[in-house]
Amino acid sequence: GDSVTQMEGPVTLSEEAFLTINCTYTDTGYPSLFWYVQYPGEGLQLLLKATKADDKGSNKGFEATYRKETTSFHLEKGSVQVSDSAVYFCALGGYKLTFGKGTLLTVNP
Amino acid sequence: EPEVTQTPSHQVTQMGQEVILRCVPISNHLYFYWYRQILGQKVEFLVSFYNNEISEKSEIFDDQFSVERPDGSNFTLKIRSTKLEDSAMYFCASNRLSGGSNTQETQYFGPGTRLLVL
Repeated sequence: GDSVTQMEGPVTLSEEAFLTINCTYTDTGYPSLFWYVQYPGEGLQLLLKATKADDKGSNKGFEATYRKETTSFHLEKGSVQVSDSAVYFCALGGYKLTFGKGTLLTVNP
Repeated sequence: EPEVTQTPSHQVTQMGQEVILRCVPISNHLYFYWYRQILGQKVEFLVSFYNNEISEKSEIFDDQFSVERPDGSNFTLKIRSTKLEDSAMYFCASNRLSGGSNTQETQYFGPGTRLLVL
């Protein structure tokens, strides 16, 4: 069945560092791919998405490119801020979402 | 901005008791979902609901679970006789439409209910 594997973390970075959180998936079709973020005490919020191969999703300085050939959707940000501290979930979906385990990111000043 | 709400935020119950988790989806959404996340594990799909019936359910969603849309705004998840292993964060989600197997309208999630079964 479908599955998502993401870097488990935790990841600790200094402010302005470069961020990569790896995500790979298995799926025989052409699912949409998502990154959700969960800030402390809040629900899951959509960060970005891509619906077909080679699409790049972007939001708030974060980017991820749908790579069909490597079945990956890695999340990147060039310069993280303290306010980016959260748990990040990679997910794939057609009708229902399949999530990765989440990666806790802590950004220190 | 419209949002999905869930109550209660936390619930503690004794094993064998019934619990009802409540959700108010975004008002013009038609598809509703429950997911759960056991501590330290993945967020897992439980069930989807459309047009007053279950569209799909996972193997987790056994006879102890049921969902209902009792009125025009609430969407509930009932666990009839809770077990220790039901302790988890339960998320409700909704979206306006579902595009089928190859597309997906964004699902909007609530903040979750943390259930602890003692």
